[in-house]
Order: sequence, then C-alpha cells, then structure tokens
Amino acid sequence: AQSVTQPDIHITVSEGASLELRCNYSYGATPYLFWYVQSPGQGLQLLLKYFSGDTLVQGIKGFEAEFKRSQSSFNLRKPSVHWSDAAEYFCAVGGGGSYIPTFGRGTSLIVHP
Amino acid sequence: SQTIHQWPATLVQPVGSPLSLECTVEGTSNPNLYWYRQAAGRGLQLLFYSVGIGQISSEVPQNLSASRPQDRQFILSSKKLLLSDSGFYLCAWSPPLGPGQPQHFGDGTRLSIL
Repeated sequence: AQSVTQPDIHITVSEGASLELRCNYSYGATPYLFWYVQSPGQGLQLLLKYFSGDTLVQGIKGFEAEFKRSQSSFNLRKPSVHWSDAAEYFCAVGGGGSYIPTFGRGTSLIVHP
Repeated sequence: SQTIHQWPATLVQPVGSPLSLECTVEGTSNPNLYWYRQAAGRGLQLLFYSVGIGQISSEVPQNLSASRPQDRQFILSSKKLLLSDSGFYLCAWSPPLGPGQPQHFGDGTRLSIL
C-alpha cells in the first residue's frame, strides 16, 4: 500500500526567505507525485506533478520539487517566499492501478513579514 | 477549459436534518469524481468516488451516500445528519485517462451541524 508522510505540521519562515517542505512516500514502483496548496476556506490547487523523466519539476507560483528515488522523497521548494504563500500544503502519491491518490496530512506554512 | 462548481459554499443544519451537496464539472466528459471531507486541522478523508454514471464506491461506512445521476454531476446526501458530519466537504474530478491523473478540486462546502 502507498503512503505519504509530511513530517512538519507547521513551518514558519520570514518573507523573502527560502522554503523547503518535506514529503516522504512509500510505494513499490515509480510513483506519481503531486503537491497541492490550499488557502484558508478554499479547495486544493495543483502546484506541480511528477510522472516520469526529469526529476526536478517546475510548477506554478515559482515552486519546484525534486524527486529523489533513493530517499523516497519529493520535497517542495521556493527560493523566496511571499506573504501570499501562507497556506496549507499537501503532498500526494498515486500509481499502480488506482485512481485514488494518497494524501499526506499537510504542512501549514506561516509567513512572517 | 474545465471547471468544477460546488454549492452551497456554506451550510448550517440542525442535527437529524437531511443533506444534499451538489457538484458539477464542465468542459470534460466521463470524469472520475470524488467526495472528500476535511475535518478542522486535519487531512483529507476520501468518502466516495465514481468512474461513471451510477457507479459509486464508498470508502468509509457512515450515514452519508453519494449519487451520480448525470455524467458530470455528483451529489452527496444524508437522510439524518449527525454532529460528527460537520466539516469541510470537497468535490474533485480527474481525467478518465487511467491511474495517476491529478485531481482538480472545487471550492468546498463548509458544513456546520448544530
């Protein structure tokens, strides 16, 4: 069975600082990996996805993520955080014959001015 | 382009009352459809999913039910709401292109049970 771990429940950064949100997955084959962002009271928006190929994936809003098979990780990064990036971030893994991705518990990003 | 509409945005209901939440998708055919619940400060719990009209799979046994009367319409219902049904309900769709497709979410319904 596939699983996702987001070790950090909360992350606090200062505006303009760099950001890395951690995601570790468990899956037997090459996974499909996703990062979503959820602003308060809103639905989830897809930031980026990895299916195959280049292990560094570019997404919307200046985010990128790197797939590291050896570490079973898919960490999300942004070089300079803006106050509007404050939100909940979810990592998800899918694959095999299932239409249903498995979501992590989420990481809440707090941005200090 | 594809869009997903979910309503109402907010709902306050008394315990024991019925529930009907509706979700529609535009701009695609035969989407996979999903209902999730998100409790305060917690992750997503998959409630139901559907790969076609009349085909509903339930992930969690409870007093909720789902129906898909039309290709791009997904309805979440309950005959008698419980206090524990409070939460944020999200509808999502994904392309019917096989496993591993990303999901696209509606704006959610905030359900409060009094």
